[in-house]
Amino acid sequence: DQQVKQNSPSLSVQEGRISILNCDYTNSMFDYFLWYKKYPAEGPTFLISISSIKDKNEDGRFTVFLNKSAKHLSLHIVPSQPGDSAVYFCAASEKTSGSRLTFGEGTQLTVNP
Amino acid sequence: DTGVSQDPRHKITKRGQNVTFRCDPISEHNRLYWYRQTLGQGPEFLTYFQNEAQLEKSRLLSDRFSAERPKGSFSTLEIQRTEQGDSAMYLCASSLMGSSGNTIYFGEGSWLTVV
Repeated sequence: DQQVKQNSPSLSVQEGRISILNCDYTNSMFDYFLWYKKYPAEGPTFLISISSIKDKNEDGRFTVFLNKSAKHLSLHIVPSQPGDSAVYFCAASEKTSGSRLTFGEGTQLTVNP
Repeated sequence: DTGVSQDPRHKITKRGQNVTFRCDPISEHNRLYWYRQTLGQGPEFLTYFQNEAQLEKSRLLSDRFSAERPKGSFSTLEIQRTEQGDSAMYLCASSLMGSSGNTIYFGEGSWLTVV
């Protein structure tokens, strides 16, 4: 039972354009959502998060949008840079889980110069 | 470096051997987690500690796996009688209970290859 799904295994964009990565979830108890970036042979690096009481959170070039009714969140990166090329994971947790995160399968983002 | 530290980074072992991984969390963090990641998948939760107490274990954590955090600081993850299916990256992470949200910070991971 995949509670967090990233339906696009890969995404390719041009440098300077917007990258939009999508994530869907099924567990209505999730109340905190995060995005991580991962380079090969390294651990995931925290990027940005959002609580279920908000619908948008912005940090520099990164913005996360949450649509609770659709159980959907997205990560916008603008402008995209070649150094953003990595696998992006969406993750979610619920208050009662002791911070245990449930991850999606990841989306490989490639930003072309 | 004050991030999460894992050792060894890579381990190749023969099937049936035991292996142990060590994790040193961010110093002020009281929660410590172990995850496993295989190719093409997101990290999967194995277990977590709050201080020295192991509060939750995933059904993925078979009897051959044991994790400890004896003094509420570093942690070890031991895999006994390794099988080829145990080949994966083992990720340690830590967080501070009571901090904003449930953000956890990962280490670099320990790659295990069972041959």
